[in-house]
Amino acid sequence: AQKITQTQPGMFVQEKEAVTLDCTYDTSDQSYGLFWYKQPSSGEMIFLIYQGSYDEQNATEGRYSLNFQKARKSANLVISASQLGDSAMYFCAMREGLAGGGADGLTFGKGTHLIIQP
Amino acid sequence: AAGVIQSPRHLIKEKRETATLKCYPIPRHDTVYWYQQGPGQDPQFLISFYEKMQSDKGSIPDRFSAQQFSDYHSELNMSSLELGDSALYFCASSQRGAADSNQPQHFGDGTRLSIL
Repeated sequence: AQKITQTQPGMFVQEKEAVTLDCTYDTSDQSYGLFWYKQPSSGEMIFLIYQGSYDEQNATEGRYSLNFQKARKSANLVISASQLGDSAMYFCAMREGLAGGGADGLTFGKGTHLIIQP
Repeated sequence: AAGVIQSPRHLIKEKRETATLKCYPIPRHDTVYWYQQGPGQDPQFLISFYEKMQSDKGSIPDRFSAQQFSDYHSELNMSSLELGDSALYFCASSQRGAADSNQPQHFGDGTRLSIL
């Protein structure tokens, strides 16, 4: 089974609109972390936002917020007031087993290609 | 702010050759991670090092090896290169602490390896 599922391969959004990128995850661990990264066409991988499994409040970073619904195992990224520069591939990722060390590597979803239209 | 530095940015090799990729982590970061991203794919975790010791191992082929040096830089050594090794190779770094769960992995710009 996929550990990270991103159901939207591609999205077109009008500039200035808000956009929600979906991410669901699968883990039996109680302690884990969820990350979102942005990958522009130039290829670099840019960290956007983090949510810990025990965090009670949804994470926010500027125009980015994470809608964390633990019972539904979802961690959707919300981008407010989208800009042309937001056009990129967006990856949701998870790090499991944080209690007592656990795994180092991030497991990524397949990504969502977001295109912002003027 | 200083970022993760990877070299070279681009590398072209032929089948059965060897390649060495280098990674210089963000200052004071003690953990280094290597990922491989094939064309149109998501990144796959290869291996990580904490304080110069191998910390975790992912889907790294036996033909590949890596190490972290005393100055915390890391090298990924690849031998007997195959066409399927053509990919973008990322190095990432983080600072592991008591609450390392919330320490994001910061990625370098990657090395694009092409095998002819």
